Amino acid sequence: GAVVSQHPSRVICKSGTSVKIECRSLDFQATTMFWYRQFPKQSLMLMATSNEGSKATYEQGVEKDKFLINHASLTLSTLTVTSAHPEDSSFYICSARQGARSNQPQHFGDGTRLSIL
Amino acid sequence: AQSVTQLDSQVPVFEEAPVELRCNYSSSVSVYLFWYVQYPNQGLQLLLKYLSGSTLVKGINGFEAEFNKSQTSFHLRKPSVHISDTAEYFCAVSVGGGKLIFGQGTELSVKP
Repeated sequence: GAVVSQHPSRVICKSGTSVKIECRSLDFQATTMFWYRQFPKQSLMLMATSNEGSKATYEQGVEKDKFLINHASLTLSTLTVTSAHPEDSSFYICSARQGARSNQPQHFGDGTRLSIL
Repeated sequence: AQSVTQLDSQVPVFEEAPVELRCNYSSSVSVYLFWYVQYPNQGLQLLLKYLSGSTLVKGINGFEAEFNKSQTSFHLRKPSVHISDTAEYFCAVSVGGGKLIFGQGTELSVKP
């Protein structure tokens, strides 16, 4: 149980392209989803918290116009990297939490490796 | 503010040997603690969690961790590791709103 699917697993595209990444909870309803960015050999940095039906909450230093997050249903959140540039290349990981209590664990997708040429 | 420190960035160990991955946290309130494992080019998989109750928690793949409030630690242990345990391990604490604060990660390398 508690499976999170993230798609695509890898994207290679030209600078200036917008890229959409999907995060789906397959067997549970996710009130809250989180988006992380991970640089090589480093820990995960939280980018934003996404609650179904409301605007995402971005962490300090994350450009909300650059990283558009939509959480239209209890099983789907999307991250769109707009007008991507080489510095946006990274490993992006989503997670989903069932319910609203902070003691409930997050379940992670397998990540998306984004490479901007 | 809460923070998590993983004291060892790399831990090399021989197969079938015991291992301990150290994690310390700082928090002025009650905490929920988690250990996750990340295999190359994959997301994170939950190993175990401490929410309340017994301070010794058992997880998947033979791992266990002990919550020590006085030492603000949550060290991960396994009595006998396998090659397949080679991965990156992250300790995390849950803060307000259910956000996770991660440690820097510990790379466990199991050698034959």
